[in-house]
Amino acid sequence: AQRVTQPEKLLSVFKGAPVELKCNYSYSGSPELFWYVQYSRQRLQLLLRHISRESIKGFTADLNKGETSFHLKKPFAQEEDSAMYYCALISGQNFVFGPGTRLSVLP
Amino acid sequence: GAGVSQSPSNKVTEKGKDVELRCDPISGHTALYWYRQSLGQGLEFLIYFQGNSAPDKSGLPSDRFSAERTGGSVSTLTIQRTQQEDSAVYLCASSPTGTGIYEQYFGPGTRLTVT
Repeated sequence: AQRVTQPEKLLSVFKGAPVELKCNYSYSGSPELFWYVQYSRQRLQLLLRHISRESIKGFTADLNKGETSFHLKKPFAQEEDSAMYYCALISGQNFVFGPGTRLSVLP
Repeated sequence: GAGVSQSPSNKVTEKGKDVELRCDPISGHTALYWYRQSLGQGLEFLIYFQGNSAPDKSGLPSDRFSAERTGGSVSTLTIQRTQQEDSAVYLCASSPTGTGIYEQYFGPGTRLTVT
């Protein structure tokens, strides 16, 4: 069965420090992976998708099929990055979100 | 254009009552999804509509939950005989197509509190 795990419920870092939000998945096949973000009092929105190989707001994520991971990284965290981050696995009609990690960037 | 809208934004109901939650997707989007967001539980998939195809109801937690989508647009999620564990934020999302590779656009959610 498809599954997405995000081992950290809460991650706190200081402004300017590197940040890595972990995401692991289980899926037999070629998954499409996404990161969604929800800032305080805002809607859940797409941050980035692995097929685009893009960098959004300084964040990148690389799909590692060997480790079945899709960790989200940013070299220098900013206070405005504080939010709830969800990793999602989508394939065809199967939609699975991870439990989410709350990132808190401290001044 | 307008994004996904949901109503009501907040709903407080007594245990045992029925509730209806409404979702207006982005015009032209063929795919519509319902999720439940509970504290500490993340985002739980409930149901998925794609065009005129039969909906994927595999995520509905019990037969007290049902949803319909009229005319391929507006959707209503109905919870019968509500229980306290139904308290959560219910999110609706729409997408241009249901192939999965396209972004889902989320609504603001309906916060349901069952007392």
